[in-house]
Amino acid sequence: DAGITQSPRHKVTETGTPVTLRCHQTENHRYMYWYRQDPGHGLRLIHYSYGVKDTDKGEVSDGYSVSRSKTEDFLLTLESATSSQTSVYFCAISESKSEGQPQHFGDGTRLSIL
Amino acid sequence: AQSVAQPEDQVNVAEGNPLTVKCTYSVSGNPYLFWYVQYPNRGLQFLLKYITGDNLVKGSYGFEAEFNKSQTSFHLKKPSALVSDSALYFCAVRPPGAGGSYIPTFGRGTSLIVHP
Repeated sequence: DAGITQSPRHKVTETGTPVTLRCHQTENHRYMYWYRQDPGHGLRLIHYSYGVKDTDKGEVSDGYSVSRSKTEDFLLTLESATSSQTSVYFCAISESKSEGQPQHFGDGTRLSIL
Repeated sequence: AQSVAQPEDQVNVAEGNPLTVKCTYSVSGNPYLFWYVQYPNRGLQFLLKYITGDNLVKGSYGFEAEFNKSQTSFHLKKPSALVSDSALYFCAVRPPGAGGSYIPTFGRGTSLIVHP
């Protein structure tokens, strides 16, 4: 398995509080992604990064921010959590050497916002 | 814009029977197509991909998929299903030549249930 660690694996918090999820990789891959998975919606891209300090928005980026200060770490922050952000969050990585390379996923963070 | 459709939310099959999980796509140009599997409380795992060449591609765990350009489909198949194949399956598509940023679009997933 690709070396991807997401932390925490589970979190329960209250509406209005800030939340930061961490994705750490040991593969030295250039590209990193944050997705959320919800029933009936599949996977939806929140933000992605194509290098240190280089990030861009995905289709559901409102209410989320990201940072990547090192190749190995990609942080997802909910500045003021809302109940609609209750979801399972997945980090993924991919190489840049070939466009046909698949993504590799972490095991997810289950986030509940009460 | 690219899109992926998995028309079945759930597929039921008896162990030992062949299985098919359907996927159709829409993308400009020749697509890169992928299948992933997700087991409970785990992330997605790569199964197989089509980039170019033979329309029938083989992947992990005995799975294969057939690329059909005229029908814009990439159905996942296995000749003999196992109970352990029960999982959530995702199809994904991305256009070629989009640079290394590699932003695929995923289908909504199909739950495969294999009955003993």
